[in-house]
Order: sequence, then structure tokens, then C-alpha cells
Amino acid sequence: DIQLTQSPSFLSASVGGRVTITCRATHDISTYLAWYQQKPGKAPKLLIYAASTLQSGVPSRFSGSGSGTEFTLTISSLQPEDFATYYCQQLNAYPRRFTFGPGTKVDIK
Amino acid sequence: EVQLVESGGGLVQPGGTLKVSCATSGFTFSGDWMSWVRQSPGKGLEWVANIKQDGSEKYYVDSVKGRFTISRDNAKNSLYLQINGLRAEDTAVYYCARLDSRPPFYYVMDVWGKGTTVTVSS
Repeated sequence: DIQLTQSPSFLSASVGGRVTITCRATHDISTYLAWYQQKPGKAPKLLIYAASTLQSGVPSRFSGSGSGTEFTLTISSLQPEDFATYYCQQLNAYPRRFTFGPGTKVDIK
Repeated sequence: EVQLVESGGGLVQPGGTLKVSCATSGFTFSGDWMSWVRQSPGKGLEWVANIKQDGSEKYYVDSVKGRFTISRDNAKNSLYLQINGLRAEDTAVYYCARLDSRPPFYYVMDVWGKGTTVTVSS
């Protein structure tokens, strides 16, 4: 089974700052990766899929990159509403199973 | 507007059973794969199960195989998760999510419900 790790697990950043989160897969998953944002007490929200495709309605300050085993989520200018936990998720060409990363909490500095 | 609304959570004793539901609206339910995802208190997201449009294919995370059953009723636009032999580690918020197909070959969880809480305790 493919496992996902995320780094860091926690980061503290300032409004307006640039944030980068890394997700690593134990095996090559091409671009089969998504990123979700979750705020406390709320359901996750899809941000990016296919490693770099922005979900409709998501602000352009969010971007994703990578392929194979290493992926990044970047927030170019952190806004107050971006303080949340971010999860990567392995996607599939056929939905037999999914795997989530352990999450990265982004907190206010 | 696409909506998913879970219900049926509650406090259950270890070994008990529960059936949680997800009522959907605003899209053609019979045209989409659906998923259940859970989140234990203070923990991350865990995919639980998927079901194909017509219910003919079902997939589960290893930790729930044999105890959980995903099902759907396309006439009622509803998704279900039957949970048997409940354990303390099944305590979680259970979310339903729509699996949307994106070209060329990606399935993503693009719409989520707000979740229903299942607590297993004596």
C-alpha cells in the first residue's frame, strides 16, 4: 500500500507570508494527488487535484506542484481565513481506495 | 445547490450497531460514486468505503472489512453505512462525500456533508 507523509506537521506563519507544505508518497503516484483544507468543526474542502489543478472557486493564491513521489502545496500570501489543517490525498484512476496524509496544521504567528 | 446531509450518529455501546445515512440533493445521485470518510477526535481523515453508482462494487479500508457495509438507495438519493460490532476506535465524525470524475482519469471528493458523530462508549 502507498503511504503519504506530510511535512511539517505544524507550522506557524504570518498573514501575508508564503507557506509551503510537502507531501511525499512511498511509491510513484504520477499526478494522482489532491489537497484539502479543513477548518475546526468543518468538513474538508477540495483545493487542488491532479497535483496542480485548482478546484473551481478556490483563490489563486493556492497552488500545487509535483509528480511521482514529491508534491507541494503553496499559499503565496496567507490570509486570515487560510489558517486551517491541510491534507494531501492519493487519488485513483478507479476509486478502489484512497489514502490521506496525516495533515499539516497552519497556525497564526 | 449540491447538498449532502448526514444523520443517524449517536452514542452506542461497544459491540452495538448503528446505521448512518446521507441524504443528497442538487445532483444526479445515481450518476456518481460515493464515499464515507471518518475522523476520530483530534485525528486526521481516514477513508472508510466507496460504492459504485449502481451499488455493484464496494470497497473498504482493511480495518472495517466485515463490520461495515456501505449501501445506497438511488430512488431515495441516499447513501448508508451500516456499522456492526462497534469498537471504541470507531468513535469519529463520519462524513459522506461525492466522488466526481475529472478528466482524464481522476476521482475526487468534491462535495462533503457536515458529518455525523458516532461515539462508542459504555
